[in-house]
Amino acid sequence: AQSVTQPDIHITVSEGASLELRCNYSYGATPYLFWYVQSPGQGLQLLLKYFSGDTLVQGIKGFEAEFKRSQSSFNLRKPSVHWSDAAEYFCAVGDSGNMLTFGGGTRLMVKP
Amino acid sequence: NAGVTQTPKFRVLKTGQSMTLLCAQDMNHEYMYWYRQDPGMGLRLIHYSVGEGTTAKGEVPDGYNVSRLKKQNFLLGLESAAPSQTSVYFCASNNPGRGPNQPQHFGDGTRLSIL
Repeated sequence: AQSVTQPDIHITVSEGASLELRCNYSYGATPYLFWYVQSPGQGLQLLLKYFSGDTLVQGIKGFEAEFKRSQSSFNLRKPSVHWSDAAEYFCAVGDSGNMLTFGGGTRLMVKP
Repeated sequence: NAGVTQTPKFRVLKTGQSMTLLCAQDMNHEYMYWYRQDPGMGLRLIHYSVGEGTTAKGEVPDGYNVSRLKKQNFLLGLESAAPSQTSVYFCASNNPGRGPNQPQHFGDGTRLSIL
């Protein structure tokens, strides 16, 4: 069975600082990987996805993620965080049948 | 652009009451999903549907029923609500006909409290 672990429940960074959110997955085949963001009171919005090809994928809002098969990781990064990035971030792995398994989420707080 | 619409947005129930959550999508998607979100556990799949008239169990189906009588609607029912079903419920949809694992589009959620 597939699983996703987001080791950091909460992260606080200063505005303008760089950000890396960790995601580790367990899946038997080539994974389909996603990062979603959830602002308070909102649904989930897709930030980026990885299906195949280039292991560094670019997403919306200046985010990027790198797929590392050897480490079973798909970490999310942003060079300079803005106050509006404060939200909860979810990593997810999908199978060929379109079922998603989500990690527990990481809540990002941004200090002025 | 409506996308995925969930009603109601908030609801408080007493233990033992029943209710139905409605999800409607206007993107002509084949697949629809119901998740529940609990702190620290991410989203867990309750039930899903791969087309009109079909439904299947997800990871946490107990205590819930679903129906997909029309392609655009996916209903989630609680027959006898329990405090353990207090959660935020999300509906999602996608259209796998365009390729594997097309991203799911989510509604804004229904916050349900069972007293």
